[in-house]
Amino acid sequence: DIQMTQSPSSLSASVGDRVTITCQASQDINNYLNWYQQKPGKAPKFLIYDASNLEKGVPSRFSGSGSGTDFTLTISSLQPEDIATYYCQQYDNFPPTFGQGTKLEIK
Amino acid sequence: EVQLVESGGGVVRPGGSLRLSCAASGFIFDDFGMSWVRQSPGKGLEWVAGISWNGGIITYADSVKGRFTISRDDAKNSLYLQMNSLRVEDTALYYCVRDRTENNWFDPWGQGTLVTVSS
Repeated sequence: DIQMTQSPSSLSASVGDRVTITCQASQDINNYLNWYQQKPGKAPKFLIYDASNLEKGVPSRFSGSGSGTDFTLTISSLQPEDIATYYCQQYDNFPPTFGQGTKLEIK
Repeated sequence: EVQLVESGGGVVRPGGSLRLSCAASGFIFDDFGMSWVRQSPGKGLEWVAGISWNGGIITYADSVKGRFTISRDDAKNSLYLQMNSLRVEDTALYYCVRDRTENNWFDPWGQGTLVTVSS
């Protein structure tokens, strides 16, 4: 199985900060990577597909980049409603696998 | 509005069985593949099983193969997960998810149903 490693595991930032979360795959997954946002007590929500394409309705302060094994989720200006745990997921190889999550908190 | 509602979770002894159900609404159910994904504190998010739009392709994670069975009833817009020979490590919140593209794009997710395996 492809291992997905996210860093950091947790992150504390201030409102307005630029926040970056990284996701590394154990082998080349092209750009077959999704990002999900899970708010406390809620189910995950589909955020970004094919590494860099925003799902409809997702604020433009979110962006994704990367290809191959290294990927990044960036929030350009952190808002209070962005407090959540973020997960990456590869769908290049079976079985689909997730990163362990990055918990984002407000400082 | 697309909606997935799971039911059937509960507390069961090791070796026991449970059947989870997922009622789908707001979309043409038999146009989409479906999956079960579970979440536990120790193992994070783990894809468990998937079934294609027509039921012709069924796949399982190695951790549940031979013990769990995924199925669907398109007439009832419902997805199921029969879980047998349950283990302590199967304890998790089980989500029903739609596969938007048959490529494992999980959107949306239900609210989850909790399965606890404990003696």
